[in-house]
Amino acid sequence: DAMVIQNPRYQVTQFGKPVTLSCSQTLNHNVMYWYQQKSSQAPKLLFHYYDKDFNNEADTPDNFQSRRPNTSFCFLDIRSPGLGDAAMYLCATSRPGGTFYEQYFGPGTRLTVT
Amino acid sequence: DAKTTQPNSMESNEEEPVHLPCNHSTISGTDYIHWYRQLPSQGPEYVIHGLTSNVNNRMASLAIAEDRKSSTLILHRATLRDAAVYYCIRASSTGNQFYFGTGTSLTVIP
Repeated sequence: DAMVIQNPRYQVTQFGKPVTLSCSQTLNHNVMYWYQQKSSQAPKLLFHYYDKDFNNEADTPDNFQSRRPNTSFCFLDIRSPGLGDAAMYLCATSRPGGTFYEQYFGPGTRLTVT
Repeated sequence: DAKTTQPNSMESNEEEPVHLPCNHSTISGTDYIHWYRQLPSQGPEYVIHGLTSNVNNRMASLAIAEDRKSSTLILHRATLRDAAVYYCIRASSTGNQFYFGTGTSLTVIP
């Protein structure tokens, strides 16, 4: 029944060591999102894909990259994690149609940077 | 989203209605208003959304002010399972972006 799956649920990386978080979906949705949620804060949109069309938020640091090799999978790459990148990373999907439709969120990956 | 503000926390007694307010005074005329809730260590869960008219579904009701500068999420009878952080979201009409408000932590008292 899982619809948006994120692996791993917990990830520990070292300062400056590249890390990749993954997201997959069984909903066949065209749009996939990545959010960053720091402790006691609201989720913040990093970027999203509409099919293969990548849309970056203006204030997303260059340290964050993303790949979407096919409809089902999307990856978040953090090239050189800093202590400030420790957060929950949430993946979400939605049908096309702008924001008329709701988003479906995964359970998140909690990233720790040591 | 700094333009979408909510009270930090609210309390409600079990079985009583709860009104959760949201201020989105700079919302565009065609942006949707969404509400999601989030339990600890889980991803946000959809609750309801609307554009101009009031909306009802099995979970809640959404009342949107006539000038669209504010909205209120109404839980008709709060249960212990409704304890969560509730987010009001401005959903951009020009793309697919969702911008979360500051969130309200709801405590339900038995």
